[in-house]
Amino acid sequence: KAGVTQTPRYLIKTRGQQVTLSCSPISGHRSVSWYQQTPGQGLQFLFEYFSETQRNKGNFPGRFSGRQFSNSRSEMNVSTLELGDSALYLCASSLDVSAYNEQFFGPGTRLTVL
Amino acid sequence: KNEVEQSPQNLTAQEGEFITINCSYSVGISALHWLQQHPGGGIVSLFMLSSGKKKHGRLIATINIQEKHSSLHITASHPRDSAVYICAVSSYGGSQGNLIFGKGTKLSVKP
Repeated sequence: KAGVTQTPRYLIKTRGQQVTLSCSPISGHRSVSWYQQTPGQGLQFLFEYFSETQRNKGNFPGRFSGRQFSNSRSEMNVSTLELGDSALYLCASSLDVSAYNEQFFGPGTRLTVL
Repeated sequence: KNEVEQSPQNLTAQEGEFITINCSYSVGISALHWLQQHPGGGIVSLFMLSSGKKKHGRLIATINIQEKHSSLHITASHPRDSAVYICAVSSYGGSQGNLIFGKGTKLSVKP
């Protein structure tokens, strides 16, 4: 069974641009969560999607948005990029939103904003 | 004060040593996760606990709900165990994706 895939793996953008990151969950998994990891703040929760609906959102500005498609694939978008958005963006999938389900993480997309 | 605190932040051990990493949390939880992150970024879920103790090979995780504390133990440590170990919790009533993370413990095991 294929794992969680994320594309692209690496991305370089300049301030003010926007970026879209993609996450394909494990087949059969309907829940996708996104996280940001920076050296200063560590791992922080961004959003959680289940059945094309955003269930939870972390404490991030409105420049961060996302969506989930009917095949459970998810995208996140960051508009008007800032230097502080440079980070590793990780997505994780699980069967559903139960707190007792294991999450499976993708390899991440490393975003550098210049 | 962070809702999830880990100690130590950094840990260096000799191959074969018994290792303990601690995690304390201040919120009510549904579940606690131990994650492993190798250089390059990939994260692997090691354990998910809501009570008691779990064991996978040389790894043991325990949780004390009353004391709001969990420990991850590695027996007979090996250089391949070198990684960052991260504790994360799903707050009570929350869903599995909405995790609160500790800052991680960087473990280096010397041969």
